Amino acid sequence: DGGITQSPKYLFRKEGQNVTLSCEQNLNHDAMYWYRQDPGQGLRLIYYSQIVNDFQKGDIAEGYSVSREKKESFPLTVTSAQKNPTAFYLCASSIGSSGEAFFGQGTRLTVV
Amino acid sequence: KQEVTQIPAALSVPEGENLVLNCSFTDSAIYNLQWFRQDPGKGLTSLLLIQSSQREQTSGRLNASLDKSSGRSTLYIAASQPGDSATYLCARRMDTGTASKLTFGTGTRLQVTL
Repeated sequence: DGGITQSPKYLFRKEGQNVTLSCEQNLNHDAMYWYRQDPGQGLRLIYYSQIVNDFQKGDIAEGYSVSREKKESFPLTVTSAQKNPTAFYLCASSIGSSGEAFFGQGTRLTVV
Repeated sequence: KQEVTQIPAALSVPEGENLVLNCSFTDSAIYNLQWFRQDPGKGLTSLLLIQSSQREQTSGRLNASLDKSSGRSTLYIAASQPGDSATYLCARRMDTGTASKLTFGTGTRLQVTL
């Protein structure tokens, strides 16, 4: 089945640790995105990539990093510089930079 | 400030009722608008995508309209069912150099009761 796979579903981070969230898609989409969702707030864009080996900062990129070495993969690293990382993280892709967006099932990150 | 607003924040209706969810945006420069459904603890499921050149899109019991001049989109759900209970989100793409950015509303949480 074609789709977007995020892993893990739940992730726990200790203070000062870096953690990496995985996002893989087999839809042959060029564009991929990372969003953060907090209770009572809309989704906020962290990073997006329109093509392999290229990515741009979104609205809340501080404390996060990404890479786009393969078309299928767009991992997100939450660094120790992110002061409030507890949130629900959603990965998305679209066939072009303006096409219909499809989302994965999300990763819930909790700081312990 | 470019914002997307959804009203009401929550809605409860009895099964079988027709209902309308509203989405408004402050800037009429729009490339397309997409409606999503989100179940608790899950990702987003795409429902309908309306291009700026279109006035409406339909899928089954769902109909979405777009009025760029007034900065509004509505999602109409016919004959609501308990399985329609979820949070509904709208998201707009701009038609500027930031065409790749989706801006989301905070959603309408719908509950359909028996």
